[in-house]
Amino acid sequence: NAGVTQTPKFQVLKTGQSMTLQCAQDMNHEYMSWYRQDPGMGLRLIHYSVGAGITDQGEVPNGYNVSRSTTEDFPLRLLSAAPSQTSVYFCASSYSGTGSTDTQYFGPGTRLTVL
Amino acid sequence: AQSVTQLGSHVSVSEGALVLLRCNYSSSVPPYLFWYVQYPNQGLQLLLKYTTGATLVKGINGFEAEFKKSETSFHLTKPSAHMSDAAEYFCAVSGHSGGYQKVTFGTGTKLQVIP
Repeated sequence: NAGVTQTPKFQVLKTGQSMTLQCAQDMNHEYMSWYRQDPGMGLRLIHYSVGAGITDQGEVPNGYNVSRSTTEDFPLRLLSAAPSQTSVYFCASSYSGTGSTDTQYFGPGTRLTVL
Repeated sequence: AQSVTQLGSHVSVSEGALVLLRCNYSSSVPPYLFWYVQYPNQGLQLLLKYTTGATLVKGINGFEAEFKKSETSFHLTKPSAHMSDAAEYFCAVSGHSGGYQKVTFGTGTKLQVIP
């Protein structure tokens, strides 16, 4: 199993550009999520999905869109990039999302810089 | 609301010395607690988790953590630090929100191991 994969690994954008961060998992997990990691702030939840066709907002959703058309894929779209979105983005998945003891499996991250 | 406080954003230890990383939580009963490790330029991976039962939890790479309800703590320890332990460590608490798992991460502690 490849686990959770993310592309690209690095990206530089100009303010106002849009892009999509890709995330895929091959573990048949129902629950997928996107976090951003900023120095001194830990991981903050952007959006999450509890199954194909079902998504919801997390702690910091503004400026981001998601959709979940398949169990495997959960792309994150930046609509109009801003310097405040410079961060490292992690995708994660877990078995069901309904169990409080579920382990999350993380991808390797995408390092995004917005100029 | 659940929360996690990690004391010390940076901890330095000598190789062979005891590692102690502190985590205090706030949560409704029962708390489910995790420690994740992030090696440089990688995603997070599970070190250990406390669900129910034994309060001393053993994880990978010789780490363990003890759940102390009276102190609302879940400190991570390792008797003898190794150079390969240099990484960032995140404590997390898990609960439910709207029927689904909600995980709140601490801000992280970077461990430096000095040869």
